[in-house]
Amino acid sequence: ILNVEQSPQSLHVQEGDSTNFTCSFPSSNFYALHWYRWETAKSPEALFVMTLNGDEKKKGRISATLNTKEGYSYLYIKGSQPEDSATYLCAFLEIEAAGNKLTFGGGTRVLVKP
Amino acid sequence: EAQVTQNPRYLITVTGKKLTVTCSQNMNHEYMSWYRQDPGLGLRQIYYSMNVEVTDKGDVPEGYKVSRKEKRNFPLILESPSPNQTSLYFCASSLYGTGGSSNEKLFFGSGTQLSVL
Repeated sequence: ILNVEQSPQSLHVQEGDSTNFTCSFPSSNFYALHWYRWETAKSPEALFVMTLNGDEKKKGRISATLNTKEGYSYLYIKGSQPEDSATYLCAFLEIEAAGNKLTFGGGTRVLVKP
Repeated sequence: EAQVTQNPRYLITVTGKKLTVTCSQNMNHEYMSWYRQDPGLGLRQIYYSMNVEVTDKGDVPEGYKVSRKEKRNFPLILESPSPNQTSLYFCASSLYGTGGSSNEKLFFGSGTQLSVL
């Protein structure tokens, strides 16, 4: 069973502050990493799909970096707003499973306090 | 509107009573998958389908069945539900599969909260 870990499990952020959190995954057999945002009572929605070492993706105030050699990805939220409150999920795809099986981490739950 | 539709949103049932959770997508996606979400655990894959009449087991398939007779529908069947199947279930789809392109990101349904008494 693949080990995909996210830390911290939860964090509280003051509105306007920036924050970041980590997704760790096996560095061998890397194929792709997905990030999803899951708001309470809604469906998870895709943020980023990342494949290249050193890649950086950005969507509004949210960005992500990828280090495939050491097996981690950071998600950054700049100037957090209450609407950023959600659980952020990463999902790892290894080469052998390409096309059919993402392995999800446990998520980082972010609460932005006004 | 492009979407993945799951029904029902909430379901309470008793042990042993067969049930089906429906999932339908209107995006002509080839790939569909079922996940369950339990506290403290990540989304775990139950079954997936790469195309019509092609299904395969995920990580936790025991106690579940699926079928893919039409491209748009991928129902999850619990023949004899047990309390350990109490969970939040998500159906998801993508254009071709799960990979490294933006076409391979997952679209999720709204979830089904199942309680088996």
